Amino acid sequence: QVQLQESGPGLVKPSQTLSLTCTVSGGSISSDNYYWSWIRQPAGKGLEWIGRVSASGGTNYNPSLKSRVTISVDTSNNHFSLKLSSVTAADTAVYYCARDRVVEPDNWFDPWGQGTLVTVSS
Amino acid sequence: NSVLTQPHSVSESPGKTVTISCTRSSGSIAANYVQWYQQRPGSAPTIVIYEDIKRPSGVPDRFSGSIDTSSNSASLTISGLKSDDEADYICQSESSFNPVFAGGTKLTVL
Repeated sequence: QVQLQESGPGLVKPSQTLSLTCTVSGGSISSDNYYWSWIRQPAGKGLEWIGRVSASGGTNYNPSLKSRVTISVDTSNNHFSLKLSSVTAADTAVYYCARDRVVEPDNWFDPWGQGTLVTVSS
Repeated sequence: NSVLTQPHSVSESPGKTVTISCTRSSGSIAANYVQWYQQRPGSAPTIVIYEDIKRPSGVPDRFSGSIDTSSNSASLTISGLKSDDEADYICQSESSFNPVFAGGTKLTVL
C-alpha cells in the first residue's frame, strides 16, 4: 500500500523559498499512469492544487502559482519536492502531497500524505 | 474563485440519507469527471468517489455519486448516515486542463 510523507521546515520567513519533500513508500514513484502532486489548504479554507510532476520529470503547474513554483522528482530516492519562492503570509497553509492518477483529461488524488503546516512569518 | 460550488453546510440525522451538490458554473459537468473526497478535522482528504460514480475499494456502498446535466451539477449521496460520516466533503474536477476543487460542504450528523 502506497504511503506518502511530507517533510520540511514548518516556518519560513517572508520573501524566502519554501522547500518540502514528499517521500513515497510501499510502491515505486516510477509506476505507470501516475503523477505526483502538491496541494495546499490555508486554515479554514479550501484546497488548492499547486502542481504535479511525472517520474520522467515532466511538470504542470497551477497558472496562479506558476511563476514561483518548481516541482522536481528523484526516482532513485523515491521522492519528489516542492519549491515555492518569494513567499508571503498568504502562502501559510497545510501542504499535502498526493499520488495523482491522470486519465486525460481527468485525474484524481489517492492517497494523500498526512500534510505539513508551513507558516510564513518573520 | 472555483468553477465548482458546494453548499457550505448540510445536516441530517443518523440513519437518514443526505445529498451534497457540486454545481459547475462554466462548462458542462459532463465534460470532465467529478471526484469526491472526505476530510475529517485535522486529517488529510480521502477519496470516496471517482469518475462521477465509481467507489474505491474499501468505501461502503452507502456512498454513491451521480451527475445531472440539467442542473449542471454532480451529487454525492450518503445513505444510512452514521456519526462517523461527519466530515467535510469536497468535489474536484478539471478546468482549463487543471484540477480544481470546490470549497467543501460540512456534513453534520445530528
